[in-house]
Amino acid sequence: EAQVTQNPRYLITVTGKKLTVTCSQNMNHEYMSWYRQDPGLGLRQIYYSMNVEVTDKGDVPEGYKVSRKEKRNFPLILESPSPNQTSLYFCASSSGMEYNEQFFGPGTRLTVL
Amino acid sequence: KNEVEQSPQNLTAQEGEFITINCSYSVGISALHWLQQHPGGGIVSLFMLSSGKKKHGRLIATINIQEKHSSLHITASHPRDSAVYICAVSLDTDKLIFGTGTRLQVFP
Repeated sequence: EAQVTQNPRYLITVTGKKLTVTCSQNMNHEYMSWYRQDPGLGLRQIYYSMNVEVTDKGDVPEGYKVSRKEKRNFPLILESPSPNQTSLYFCASSSGMEYNEQFFGPGTRLTVL
Repeated sequence: KNEVEQSPQNLTAQEGEFITINCSYSVGISALHWLQQHPGGGIVSLFMLSSGKKKHGRLIATINIQEKHSSLHITASHPRDSAVYICAVSLDTDKLIFGTGTRLQVFP
């Protein structure tokens, strides 16, 4: 089954404790992206990747890191989480950016205390 | 002003009604997406448009590039259509910009 998986689905952590949210897709997609969703603000892009070893900042990259060492995986790293990073996070992939359907992961609800 | 505006923000309907959700954008785009977010949070892509009209079951999406406007129509609405519908646009810079969504509730 074609899918995008994220782990963990729920996470409660404390300020400053490094964490990684994993994202994996089994569709051989080149394009992957991370979004955060906050009430009243909608979805905002954090980082995206056009292919292996190619990443770029989205609209809200501060406080986040990503890597794309393999085509299928695109982890999101919070080196020193802060409470303002409490949010619902989505990973997505597509075979290309402009004219292709986006496939979303199930979401990760992160709470930073 | 947001680059992608949706209206209405909230919509309540009776089962069977015809529903229209609107999306206006202010930037040049390469494509427009309509997404559905279920109450559990999962997001599903409904349509991707660069021109004209697309239909899938009871859902119809249209786009007018000159007017920078798109509509999502649901015919014969059903309670299972209750969800948040999100409009997003793809820019030439490979970014997606999202509207804040329209929350639809359909009552039996």
